[in-house]
Amino acid sequence: KAGVTQTPRYLIKTRGQQVTLSCSPISGHRSVSWYQQTPGQGLQFLFEYFSETQRNKGNFPGRFSGRQFSNSRSEMNVSTLELGDSALYLCASSFDEGADTQYFGPGTRLTVL
Amino acid sequence: LAKTTQPISMDSYEGQEVNITCSHNNIATNDYITWYQQFPSQGPRFIIQGYKTKVTNEVASLFIPADRKSSTLSLPRVSLSDTAVYYCLVGDLLEYQLIWGAGTKLIIKP
Repeated sequence: KAGVTQTPRYLIKTRGQQVTLSCSPISGHRSVSWYQQTPGQGLQFLFEYFSETQRNKGNFPGRFSGRQFSNSRSEMNVSTLELGDSALYLCASSFDEGADTQYFGPGTRLTVL
Repeated sequence: LAKTTQPISMDSYEGQEVNITCSHNNIATNDYITWYQQFPSQGPRFIIQGYKTKVTNEVASLFIPADRKSSTLSLPRVSLSDTAVYYCLVGDLLEYQLIWGAGTKLIIKP
């Protein structure tokens, strides 16, 4: 069974731009969660989607948004990029909602210049 | 929300058993304990999860005392490839209250 895939793997943007990251969960998994990982803050939870509905949200500004499609694939969007948004963005899927065993993708490395 | 405390780093040698202890004094009744492993530039990988007593799988064991205020991840006969950051998480699985700490950087030496 294929693992969680994330595209693109690397991205370079400039301040003020917006970016969309994509995540394809493991086949059969219905929950997708997004995390931001930085050296200073560690892993921080952004949001979780289950059955196309946002179930939980972390403490991030409204510039960070996401959605989930009927095939469980998910996208995350960051608008008006700031330098501090440079990070590794990780997507994790699980069979059910909540924080049961999560399977992480390799991440998207976003650099904001 | 339960918070965890882990050692920032640990060193060990190939072939040794490594025990990483995590403190979670404020663990709630519905909270589970989960450990993940992360290599550089990769997403975390699930290792083991438990609620109480002892859980064992093919890669690790998790020991949880009766008061559940701490837990110990045990890695038998480590190898160089076990060098990674190990995260201890405590939270209510249904309410999605997991908080990721800084983790323990484990370095295995030959």
